[in-house]
Order: sequence, then structure tokens, then C-alpha cells
Amino acid sequence: EAGVTQSPTHLIKTRGQQATLRCSPISGHTSVYWYQQALGLGLQFLLWYDEGEERNRGNFPPRFSGRQFPNYSSELNVNALELEDSALYLCASSYSGGGTDTQYFGPGTRLTVL
Amino acid sequence: LAKTTQPISMDSYEGQEVNITCSHNNIATNDYITWYQQFPSQGPRFIIQGYKTKVTNEVASLFIPADRKSSTLSLPRVSLSDTAVYYCLVGALYSSASKIIFGSGTRLSIRP
Repeated sequence: EAGVTQSPTHLIKTRGQQATLRCSPISGHTSVYWYQQALGLGLQFLLWYDEGEERNRGNFPPRFSGRQFPNYSSELNVNALELEDSALYLCASSYSGGGTDTQYFGPGTRLTVL
Repeated sequence: LAKTTQPISMDSYEGQEVNITCSHNNIATNDYITWYQQFPSQGPRFIIQGYKTKVTNEVASLFIPADRKSSTLSLPRVSLSDTAVYYCLVGALYSSASKIIFGSGTRLSIRP
């Protein structure tokens, strides 16, 4: 069974640009979660999508947005990039958004903002 | 909002048993406790999950006292490959009324 995949592996942008990160969940999973992990820090929850809808959002500004497609894959968009947006962005998926659901994480996308 | 508190770091030696404790004083009735392991530049990996008493799998054991205000992840006979960051999560984390908090985790270093 294929795991969660993310693309690209690395992304380099400059301040003010937009970044688009992609995630494909494990087959059969309907929930997708996005996290930000700055270097040396813990995971900060960004967004949760389930069945195509945004279900929950972390404490991030509106320039962080995303969507989930009918095939349950997801996109994270970061507009007006700032230097502090440099981080590892992790995507996870689960069967559904239940509190006991195990999340399966992808390898992440390393975003560098210059 | 079930905030978790863990030690920032721990050191141990190969072959030892390691216990990492997580405090979650305001855990709710429906909340479960889940532990994840993360290696550098990788996504976290599920280790174990429990609700009360004791849970054991091939990797670890999870001890949860009756009041459920804390939990202890026990790693038997650790090896160098167990060096990682360990995160404790508590919730019905994915309800629209709550926020998801991973916390900063515990950085475990195993020495030869």
C-alpha cells in the first residue's frame, strides 16, 4: 500500500511570492491534515480537510489556505511568502477525522523563503 | 483544550528501558492519548494509542493512571535507532470545536 506522498520535496521561493504544496493521501483515506514544522520546533497544526471541506484551522493568517479535491488529494497555498514561512510542511491522512484516528504522515516539503 | 506537557529532552543508554511521561491535566472524557515518533526530516510515525490502564504493542507500552491526567510511554531495551523526538497528543482532536496541539515533544538521545 502506497503511503502519503507530497510534492515537491524541496521548494525555494522569494519573499512575496506564492507557494503551492501538494499531498496525496493513502488510498481510502478521506481526511487530510497540514502541519508546519519550523527548524528544531514542534508541529503546528495548519488545516484539516475532510470530504472536500475545511473542518478545522490552526492559528495561522488567511494567507495560508488550501483545498481538497474530489479524489481527496489536497493543496496548501501560501501567499505573500515571508521569511518565517521557511519550514518543513507535513501532510497527514487518516480514514476519517475521528479523534482516535491514526494519522499517517508524508515525508514533507521543505520550503525555503529567501 | 487538552494541552500536553512533556520533558524537553531525555538521555539513556542502549539496552535500558526508557519512560517518557506526558501531563494532560484537562483531558476530556472522550479524549484518547496518542504517541508519535519523529526522526529528523521525516514525518511523525504512530507508536501507540490508549484510553485508560495499559496498552502494549510490539514497539512500546502506554500506561495511563485512573485519573488520566498523565500518561507514560515505555520503550523497552532501547537501541541507537530509538533516538528521535516523541510527541504526546490528547484529544478528540479533530472535532471542529477543538484545536490540534502536538506540542514540542521530547527529544530522546540514546548512547552506546
